[in-house]
Amino acid sequence: SAVISQKPSRDICQRGTSLTIQCQVDSQVTMMFWYRQQPGQSLTLIATANQGSEATYESGFVIDKFPISRPNLTFSTLTVSNMSPEDSSIYLCSVGTGGETQYFGPGTRLLVL
Amino acid sequence: SQQGEEDPQALSIQEGENATMNCSYKTSINNLQWYRQNSGRGLVHLILIRSNEREKHSGRLRVTLDTSKKSSSLLITASRAADTASYFCATVPTGTASKLTFGTGTRLQVTL
Repeated sequence: SAVISQKPSRDICQRGTSLTIQCQVDSQVTMMFWYRQQPGQSLTLIATANQGSEATYESGFVIDKFPISRPNLTFSTLTVSNMSPEDSSIYLCSVGTGGETQYFGPGTRLLVL
Repeated sequence: SQQGEEDPQALSIQEGENATMNCSYKTSINNLQWYRQNSGRGLVHLILIRSNEREKHSGRLRVTLDTSKKSSSLLITASRAADTASYFCATVPTGTASKLTFGTGTRLQVTL
C-alpha cells in the first residue's frame, strides 16, 4: 500500500484565480492520477500524471485549465486555473503501485465563489 | 462518460441487516473493483474481482461478477453503523492500462 497526502485539504477561492494542489506519496510509484468529484457525484478522471513528460488528459479536460506537474516518482501537482464556481469539487489524487488497486489521497475540497 | 451505473442510488438499513448494491457496466473489462468513501473523503479499496472470477469474499464482503450480463454485486453482511458510506464500483476496461472508470455510487446508511 501507499500513504498519500494532499495539500491543501480545503480552500475557498475567488473566481478568476488559480489554485495548485499538491500530492505527496510516501514511496516511489509508477502511476499517479488526478480525479474530480463534483458535489454529490462520482469520480471522473482528469489525467494521468507522467513522470518526466506531459500528462495524459481525458476527454473534456485540457492542459490550459488543469496543468499538471510530476517532477519525480513521489510528487505531483494539479493546478485549477482561472476558476469559476463550476470548478467547486473535491480533487483527489491516486497512485497505482504496479498492481491493479489504486490508493487515494484524502482529497482537496475546493469552493469557488 | 461514466462506465458504470449503480443501484440503488441510496439504501437505508438497520444494523445487523445485509446490504446489497449492484453495478452494471458497458464494455469488456480486465477487473472490477469496489471502493468505499466516507463523507466526501478519500476512497478506500475494498475488493477486486478479475474478469475470469465469478465470486470473491473478504471478511463480511461478498462480490459477484457476471461478465455475460456486465454486472456485479456487493453484499455486506451483518452491517454496522460504521459501514455508513458511499460505495463505488470501478472498472478497468480492457486495454486501458489500470485507468479506473467509476460508477455512480450507492449511498448506504446503517442505523442503530
